[in-house]
Amino acid sequence: GENVEQHPSTLSVQEGDSAVIKCTYSDSASNYFPWYKQELGKGPQLIIDIRSNVGEKKDQRIAVTLNKTAKHFSLHITETQPEDSAVYFCAASIRGGSTLGRLYFGRGTQLTVWP
Amino acid sequence: KAGVTQTPRYLIKTRGQQVTLSCSPISGHRSVSWYQQTPGQGLQFLFEYFSETQRNKGNFPGRFSGRQFSNSRSEMNVSTLELGDSALYLCASSLAEDRPQYFGAGTRLSVL
Repeated sequence: GENVEQHPSTLSVQEGDSAVIKCTYSDSASNYFPWYKQELGKGPQLIIDIRSNVGEKKDQRIAVTLNKTAKHFSLHITETQPEDSAVYFCAASIRGGSTLGRLYFGRGTQLTVWP
Repeated sequence: KAGVTQTPRYLIKTRGQQVTLSCSPISGHRSVSWYQQTPGQGLQFLFEYFSETQRNKGNFPGRFSGRQFSNSRSEMNVSTLELGDSALYLCASSLAEDRPQYFGAGTRLSVL
């Protein structure tokens, strides 16, 4: 099955700096890549997603890039704020395949933004 | 629009008991998936339902089962609980299998 690796496991940045989280996947058939933010005591919240026919997608301070050839995708957060502190998960899925909507998750990155 | 609702939020059970968790998806969503989250294994897929049919199942023992009702609400059941079943159980709903999934807050299960 699909294997998603995520780095780093922890990331500390100063408020206003940028944060980058990277993920790699193993199955070239994967074609949908969402990112989730999970705060303490809450479920994962979808923050941005990208499909394999797009190389980059941006939503305000958040952007995701995808390199299909290298099978890696990254989350970029600019102008970080303390409220961005949370655990971030990347995931991969094969839409239209036998695994249907199943998401394969990375192990998560604990992002801490210091004021 | 209300989000995904999971009940109860917290459960404490003892080994050997069984438990039923409930999930109400976002209105209009017909696909429901369940995931188990633990510090050791991370987020792992349990199963996926669409229109009352189980469409996909993860690599969990038969003690884990689920179902979906005609109103898209879903339940999962774990029988003969083991200590290792302690986890946060998350439910996610989507309009269809190829659409984004939105998670509930989860049910925290502790097995003593």
